[in-house]
Amino acid sequence: GGIITQTPKFLIGQEGQKLTLKCQQNFNHDTMYWYRQDSGKGLRLIYYSITENDLQKGDLSEGYDASREKKSSFSLTVTSAQKNEMAVFLCASSIYRGSERLFFGHGTKLSVL
Amino acid sequence: GDSVTQTEGQVALSEEDFLTIHCNYSASGYPALFWYVQYPGEGPQFLFRASRDKEKGSSRGFEATYDKGTTSFHLRKASVQESDSAVYYCALGRTGNYKYVFGAGTRLKVIA
Repeated sequence: GGIITQTPKFLIGQEGQKLTLKCQQNFNHDTMYWYRQDSGKGLRLIYYSITENDLQKGDLSEGYDASREKKSSFSLTVTSAQKNEMAVFLCASSIYRGSERLFFGHGTKLSVL
Repeated sequence: GDSVTQTEGQVALSEEDFLTIHCNYSASGYPALFWYVQYPGEGPQFLFRASRDKEKGSSRGFEATYDKGTTSFHLRKASVQESDSAVYYCALGRTGNYKYVFGAGTRLKVIA
């Protein structure tokens, strides 16, 4: 079986800071995703990538950048952290688009002071 | 666009109670429907999926039946345990479309 590893597990930042979250998968999946999870709002798509060097914006991409330099890794950057922001960022991958299950990492919990 | 609605934000039950979490969707055609479970400190885990009318998905004692007529995919379990306490997400996906749609989630607390 494979695994998705997200680092760091916890991230504390200052207002206005640029923060980077990393995700690695060893499933050899083509498609990778970044979701933001807020209590009571479900999972909202920030960015996804269908192959190496591809980037596609999701519904919540403003304020974020992403990078997919290798098939196995997908990074997300918060371009300017917002004061008192608190959320969990989840990385996921899938073998195929839309009709197959997603595999998730354990998440990165972000707190901004 | 497509949408998924989970009626209950929170559910509290005692062990051995029957569980129903309601999931309704709005979408044309036959999207794939999923249930995921998320335990504290972890990412969501796939429970099961269904993609045809009347198809039943099941795993770990949980089940749901795809109902095109009522556009529903309700999660049920006959007898819950304390270890089932988690957040449950209903989701929708389409072949050829990378964007999955998730419900808001239902937090289940089972009291021993």
